[in-house]
Amino acid sequence: AQSVAQPEDQVNVAEGNPLTVKCTYSVSGNPYLFWYVQYPNRGLQFLLKYITGDNLVKGSYGFEAEFNKSQTSFHLKKPSALVSDSALYFCAVRGRTGANNLFFGTGTRLTVIP
Amino acid sequence: NAGVTQTPKFRVLKTGQSMTLLCAQDMNHEYMYWYRQDPGMGLRLIHYSVGEGTTAKGEVPDGYNVSRLKKQNFLLGLESAAPSQTSVYFCASSYSRVAGLETQYFGPGTRLLVL
Repeated sequence: AQSVAQPEDQVNVAEGNPLTVKCTYSVSGNPYLFWYVQYPNRGLQFLLKYITGDNLVKGSYGFEAEFNKSQTSFHLKKPSALVSDSALYFCAVRGRTGANNLFFGTGTRLTVIP
Repeated sequence: NAGVTQTPKFRVLKTGQSMTLLCAQDMNHEYMYWYRQDPGMGLRLIHYSVGEGTTAKGEVPDGYNVSRLKKQNFLLGLESAAPSQTSVYFCASSYSRVAGLETQYFGPGTRLLVL
Protein backbone atom coordinates (compact mmCIF):
# COMPACT_ATOMS: atom_id res chain seq x y z
CA ALA A 1 0.00 0.00 0.00
CA GLN A 2 1.14 3.50 -0.73
CA SER A 3 1.07 6.23 1.86
CA VAL A 4 2.56 9.55 2.77
CA ALA A 5 3.20 10.96 6.23
CA GLN A 6 3.64 14.62 7.03
CA PRO A 7 4.49 14.49 10.72
CA GLU A 8 3.95 18.19 11.43
CA ASP A 9 0.54 19.79 11.13
CA GLN A 10 2.05 23.25 11.63
CA VAL A 11 5.48 24.74 11.04
CA ASN A 12 6.36 28.28 12.11
CA VAL A 13 9.50 30.02 10.91
CA ALA A 14 10.77 33.57 11.04
CA GLU A 15 11.10 35.49 7.80
CA GLY A 16 14.58 35.11 6.36
CA ASN A 17 15.27 31.85 8.17
CA PRO A 18 15.56 28.51 6.39
CA LEU A 19 12.47 26.34 6.35
CA THR A 20 11.91 22.59 6.19
CA VAL A 21 8.63 20.76 5.72
CA LYS A 22 8.95 17.04 6.33
CA CYS A 23 7.57 14.16 4.31
CA THR A 24 8.11 10.41 4.48
CA TYR A 25 6.56 7.87 2.17
CA SER A 26 5.81 4.22 1.75
CA VAL A 27 5.53 2.64 -1.69
CA SER A 28 6.54 -0.55 -3.44
CA GLY A 29 9.53 0.03 -5.65
CA ASN A 30 10.82 3.41 -6.69
CA PRO A 31 8.48 6.33 -6.13
CA TYR A 32 7.40 9.40 -7.97
CA LEU A 33 7.28 12.19 -5.37
CA PHE A 34 5.59 15.56 -5.54
CA TRP A 35 5.11 18.72 -3.53
CA TYR A 36 2.08 20.95 -3.97
CA VAL A 37 1.16 24.22 -2.27
CA GLN A 38 -2.32 25.49 -1.52
CA TYR A 39 -3.07 29.14 -0.80
CA PRO A 40 -6.34 30.09 0.93
CA ASN A 41 -9.44 29.37 -1.16
CA ARG A 42 -7.33 28.17 -4.05
CA GLY A 43 -6.57 24.86 -5.73
CA LEU A 44 -3.27 23.06 -5.35
CA GLN A 45 -0.31 24.39 -7.28
CA PHE A 46 2.54 22.14 -8.37
CA LEU A 47 5.91 23.02 -6.80
CA LEU A 48 8.32 20.26 -7.76
CA LYS A 49 8.72 16.56 -8.34
CA TYR A 50 11.23 13.75 -8.16
CA ILE A 51 11.10 11.15 -10.91
CA THR A 52 14.65 9.92 -11.27
CA GLY A 53 18.21 11.17 -11.35
CA ASP A 54 19.65 13.82 -9.04
CA ASN A 55 18.33 13.45 -5.49
CA LEU A 56 18.13 17.24 -5.05
CA VAL A 57 15.22 18.66 -6.97
CA LYS A 58 14.71 22.36 -7.52
CA GLY A 59 11.26 23.80 -8.06
CA SER A 60 9.22 26.96 -8.20
CA TYR A 61 9.65 30.01 -5.93
CA GLY A 62 13.08 28.93 -4.68
CA PHE A 63 11.91 25.67 -3.13
CA GLU A 64 13.89 22.47 -3.32
CA ALA A 65 13.48 18.94 -1.99
CA GLU A 66 15.87 16.10 -1.35
CA PHE A 67 14.98 12.52 -2.10
CA ASN A 68 16.52 10.16 0.45
CA LYS A 69 15.84 6.56 -0.45
CA SER A 70 17.34 5.02 2.68
CA GLN A 71 15.19 7.20 4.93
CA THR A 72 12.19 7.14 2.54
CA SER A 73 11.95 10.90 2.87
CA PHE A 74 11.35 13.85 0.57
CA HIS A 75 11.65 16.96 2.73
CA LEU A 76 10.82 20.35 1.25
CA LYS A 77 13.30 23.14 1.92
CA LYS A 78 13.93 26.78 1.22
CA PRO A 79 17.05 28.71 2.29
CA SER A 80 15.26 31.94 3.21
CA ALA A 81 11.54 32.03 4.01
CA LEU A 82 9.22 34.80 2.83
CA VAL A 83 5.95 35.85 4.44
CA SER A 84 4.29 35.04 1.12
CA ASP A 85 5.37 31.38 1.53
CA SER A 86 2.73 30.99 4.23
CA ALA A 87 0.35 28.32 2.91
CA LEU A 88 -0.65 24.67 3.18
CA TYR A 89 1.87 22.24 1.73
CA PHE A 90 1.08 18.74 0.53
CA CYS A 91 3.47 15.91 -0.24
CA ALA A 92 2.25 13.19 -2.60
CA VAL A 93 3.58 9.85 -3.79
CA ARG A 94 2.86 7.66 -6.77
CA GLY A 95 4.08 4.17 -7.43
CA ARG A 96 5.39 3.02 -10.78
CA THR A 97 3.11 -0.01 -11.03
CA GLY A 98 -0.53 -0.79 -10.45
CA ALA A 99 -3.15 1.95 -10.52
CA ASN A 100 -0.53 4.68 -10.36
CA ASN A 101 -2.76 7.04 -8.44
CA LEU A 102 -1.40 9.89 -6.34
CA PHE A 103 -1.61 9.54 -2.57
CA PHE A 104 -1.47 12.76 -0.62
CA GLY A 105 -0.30 13.50 2.88
CA THR A 106 -2.52 15.36 5.30
CA GLY A 107 -0.75 18.64 4.72
CA THR A 108 1.50 20.96 6.74
CA ARG A 109 0.52 24.55 7.39
CA LEU A 110 3.54 26.80 7.10
CA THR A 111 3.43 30.19 8.76
CA VAL A 112 6.26 32.63 8.13
CA ILE A 113 6.43 35.25 10.85
CA PRO A 114 7.53 38.75 9.83
CA ASN B 1 -5.38 29.32 -21.34
CA ALA B 2 -7.83 28.97 -18.46
CA GLY B 3 -6.29 25.68 -17.26
CA VAL B 4 -8.71 23.70 -15.10
CA THR B 5 -12.01 25.33 -14.22
CA GLN B 6 -14.78 24.12 -11.93
CA THR B 7 -18.43 25.09 -11.59
CA PRO B 8 -20.05 25.92 -9.29
CA LYS B 9 -17.68 27.47 -6.74
CA PHE B 10 -20.03 26.92 -3.82
CA ARG B 11 -23.27 25.04 -3.30
CA VAL B 12 -25.60 24.20 -0.43
CA LEU B 13 -27.72 21.06 -0.76
CA LYS B 14 -30.31 19.40 1.41
CA THR B 15 -29.92 15.74 2.25
CA GLY B 16 -31.25 13.63 -0.61
CA GLN B 17 -30.88 16.26 -3.31
CA SER B 18 -28.78 15.61 -6.37
CA MET B 19 -26.28 17.75 -8.20
CA THR B 20 -23.52 17.65 -10.78
CA LEU B 21 -20.13 19.30 -10.51
CA LEU B 22 -18.50 20.26 -13.77
CA CYS B 23 -14.80 20.26 -14.49
CA ALA B 24 -13.34 21.57 -17.72
CA GLN B 25 -9.74 21.71 -18.95
CA ASP B 26 -8.32 23.34 -22.04
CA MET B 27 -4.88 21.73 -21.99
CA ASN B 28 -5.81 18.69 -24.11
CA HIS B 29 -5.04 16.40 -21.17
CA GLU B 30 -5.97 12.74 -21.39
CA TYR B 31 -6.30 12.09 -17.67
CA MET B 32 -8.75 13.74 -15.31
CA TYR B 33 -9.40 13.22 -11.61
CA TRP B 34 -11.87 14.12 -8.89
CA TYR B 35 -10.66 14.49 -5.31
CA ARG B 36 -12.28 15.52 -2.08
CA GLN B 37 -10.45 17.44 0.63
CA ASP B 38 -11.46 17.12 4.24
CA PRO B 39 -9.77 18.67 7.28
CA GLY B 40 -6.89 16.57 8.55
CA MET B 41 -7.22 14.03 5.74
CA GLY B 42 -5.48 15.56 2.77
CA LEU B 43 -6.90 14.81 -0.66
CA ARG B 44 -8.56 11.53 -1.48
CA LEU B 45 -9.25 10.30 -5.00
CA ILE B 46 -12.93 9.70 -5.79
CA HIS B 47 -12.89 8.71 -9.46
CA TYR B 48 -10.62 9.25 -12.40
CA SER B 49 -10.60 8.93 -16.18
CA VAL B 50 -7.81 7.88 -18.48
CA GLY B 51 -9.54 9.15 -21.59
CA GLU B 52 -12.80 10.14 -23.21
CA GLY B 53 -15.51 7.60 -22.47
CA THR B 54 -13.59 5.83 -19.69
CA THR B 55 -13.86 6.13 -15.92
CA ALA B 56 -12.48 4.23 -12.94
CA LYS B 57 -12.95 4.16 -9.19
CA GLY B 58 -10.50 5.76 -6.84
CA GLU B 59 -10.07 5.51 -3.11
CA VAL B 60 -13.52 6.77 -2.00
CA PRO B 61 -16.01 6.26 -4.86
CA ASP B 62 -19.18 5.38 -2.93
CA GLY B 63 -22.05 7.83 -3.37
CA TYR B 64 -20.57 9.40 -6.49
CA ASN B 65 -20.81 8.82 -10.21
CA VAL B 66 -18.78 10.33 -13.02
CA SER B 67 -18.90 10.73 -16.77
CA ARG B 68 -16.35 11.75 -19.40
CA LEU B 69 -18.36 12.23 -22.58
CA LYS B 70 -15.96 14.81 -23.94
CA LYS B 71 -12.20 14.87 -23.51
CA GLN B 72 -12.22 18.31 -21.97
CA ASN B 73 -15.00 17.71 -19.44
CA PHE B 74 -15.29 15.47 -16.39
CA LEU B 75 -18.55 15.50 -14.46
CA LEU B 76 -19.00 14.38 -10.86
CA GLY B 77 -22.54 13.50 -9.79
CA LEU B 78 -24.12 13.09 -6.40
CA GLU B 79 -27.42 11.23 -6.83
CA SER B 80 -28.59 11.57 -3.23
CA ALA B 81 -26.45 13.90 -1.18
CA ALA B 82 -25.56 13.06 2.41
CA PRO B 83 -24.03 15.28 5.13
CA SER B 84 -20.88 13.09 4.95
CA GLN B 85 -20.35 14.47 1.46
CA THR B 86 -19.81 17.97 2.80
CA SER B 87 -16.34 18.71 1.54
CA VAL B 88 -14.24 20.69 -0.88
CA TYR B 89 -14.03 18.99 -4.26
CA PHE B 90 -11.07 19.42 -6.54
CA CYS B 91 -10.72 18.41 -10.14
CA ALA B 92 -7.32 17.82 -11.69
CA SER B 93 -5.94 16.83 -15.04
CA SER B 94 -2.67 15.49 -16.42
CA TYR B 95 -1.33 14.93 -19.89
CA SER B 96 -0.24 11.37 -19.30
CA ARG B 97 1.03 8.93 -16.71
CA VAL B 98 4.36 8.61 -18.45
CA ALA B 99 7.26 9.80 -16.35
CA GLY B 100 7.76 13.50 -16.84
CA LEU B 101 4.25 14.11 -18.13
CA GLU B 102 2.27 13.01 -15.12
CA THR B 103 2.08 16.29 -13.21
CA GLN B 104 -1.50 16.98 -12.18
CA TYR B 105 -2.94 20.48 -12.50
CA PHE B 106 -5.77 21.42 -10.18
CA GLY B 107 -8.89 23.52 -10.45
CA PRO B 108 -9.88 26.12 -7.82
CA GLY B 109 -12.29 23.78 -6.03
CA THR B 110 -16.01 23.54 -5.29
CA ARG B 111 -17.15 23.94 -1.71
CA LEU B 112 -20.20 21.77 -1.02
CA LEU B 113 -22.31 21.89 2.12
CA VAL B 114 -24.96 19.22 2.63
CA LEU B 115 -27.49 20.01 5.34
